[in-house]
Amino acid sequence: NAGVTQTPKFRVLKTGQSMTLLCAQDMNHEYMYWYRQDPGMGLRLIHYSVGEGTTAKGEVPDGYNVSRLKKQNFLLGLESAAPSQTSVYFCASSDRGGTEAFFGQGTRLTVV
Amino acid sequence: EDQVTQSPEALRLQEGESSSLNCSYTVSGLRGLFWYRQDPGKGPEFLFTLYSAGEEKEKERLKATLTKKESFLHITAPKPEDSATYLCAVALNTGNQFYFGTGTSLTVIP
Repeated sequence: NAGVTQTPKFRVLKTGQSMTLLCAQDMNHEYMYWYRQDPGMGLRLIHYSVGEGTTAKGEVPDGYNVSRLKKQNFLLGLESAAPSQTSVYFCASSDRGGTEAFFGQGTRLTVV
Repeated sequence: EDQVTQSPEALRLQEGESSSLNCSYTVSGLRGLFWYRQDPGKGPEFLFTLYSAGEEKEKERLKATLTKKESFLHITAPKPEDSATYLCAVALNTGNQFYFGTGTSLTVIP
């Protein structure tokens, strides 16, 4: 039982490049989330999904897009990476709203 | 504005020296409060969920309590392996988000 799996674990991008981060969960959870974690700022919600085919904006959505075509997968895209997007990105899932979320191991992204 | 504040930012304890971490919140309509542990380079690991004032949860040397305005994570006789950052988060009755505090970095010295 893997839980929440993120790929890749590390990535270096040049400014303007694009990439997609993949999150997969095997717990049959309805809700999935993408967070970024920066020193001194805690975890901030980028986008989230309350079910297959749905997405919604979180606290810091600008510069990111997401898709949830399958219940178990939640993709985070950066169309044109900027140095301000250098961060550690975490995916999480929960059974429903208001219940505990389970996190992946994170993706460390550096934009140069 | 909904806020979650954790204190202290950092805490150093001698092995066996008990203490408490604080998570205070000013939110409208608390659905649940969550405690997580995060080790360096890892994702947050779920510890506890508290739903109502007066509720308590325990796991090994950790005990979480909840009042109407704050939660405490009590650490009894800590060991070096308890060293980590402890995060709290709240979920509201309205909306689908968790709001996280910035964490308390705990170091337990042998």
